[in-house]
Amino acid sequence: DVKVTQSSRYLVKRTGEKVFLECVQDMDHENMFWYRQDPGLGLRLIYFSYDVKMKEKGDIPEGYSVSREKKERFSLILESASTNQTSMYLCASSLMTPYTQYFGPGTRLTVL
Amino acid sequence: QKEVEQDPGPLSVPEGAIVSLNCTYSNSAFQYFMWYRQYSRKGPELLMYTYSSGNKEDGRFTAQVDKSSKYISLFIRDSQPSDSATYLCAMGGGANSKLTFGKGITLSVRP
Repeated sequence: DVKVTQSSRYLVKRTGEKVFLECVQDMDHENMFWYRQDPGLGLRLIYFSYDVKMKEKGDIPEGYSVSREKKERFSLILESASTNQTSMYLCASSLMTPYTQYFGPGTRLTVL
Repeated sequence: QKEVEQDPGPLSVPEGAIVSLNCTYSNSAFQYFMWYRQYSRKGPELLMYTYSSGNKEDGRFTAQVDKSSKYISLFIRDSQPSDSATYLCAMGGGANSKLTFGKGITLSVRP
């Protein structure tokens, strides 16, 4: 079974803090994705990566950056957290096609 | 018109009912169609995956794609309380190599 793990289930941070969310997959998948999920807005793609050290902007990249130094690890960085970044953050990975994505359990981030 | 539209729900049915969940889409380039199930406070779980048109069956679940009508469905037979979750449709294909998700519908199966 594909396993995608995320570093924290729940996280509380202060406005202005730098926040790191980590995602690790154990199936040698090429593609990795970061989404946020908000009530009424559904899943929105923040960034994705097709290979190590490669990244592409998704639909809502503003206020976020990413890092992929190793194939199995994809990090999402909030440079200066703001209250409107309070959300559920979901990481996903897929093998060859970007479509059959497998999700991690999510990190519920609250920014106070 | 939004690229993917999904009935907002919520939907409540008695145990044993047949459930039909639907999505419509506007992008004719979509060829990959997925259904995800998401339990409360968990990540989405890939439930069914279909390429192009046709039906796919897996136990009590059947996914149906009608590309001519740009319409996909997920049928759940003999629904169980454990099927209570949010169901998300997702699709992709063409030049845009990303998944586009519906907003999800919350299903509740009453014992």
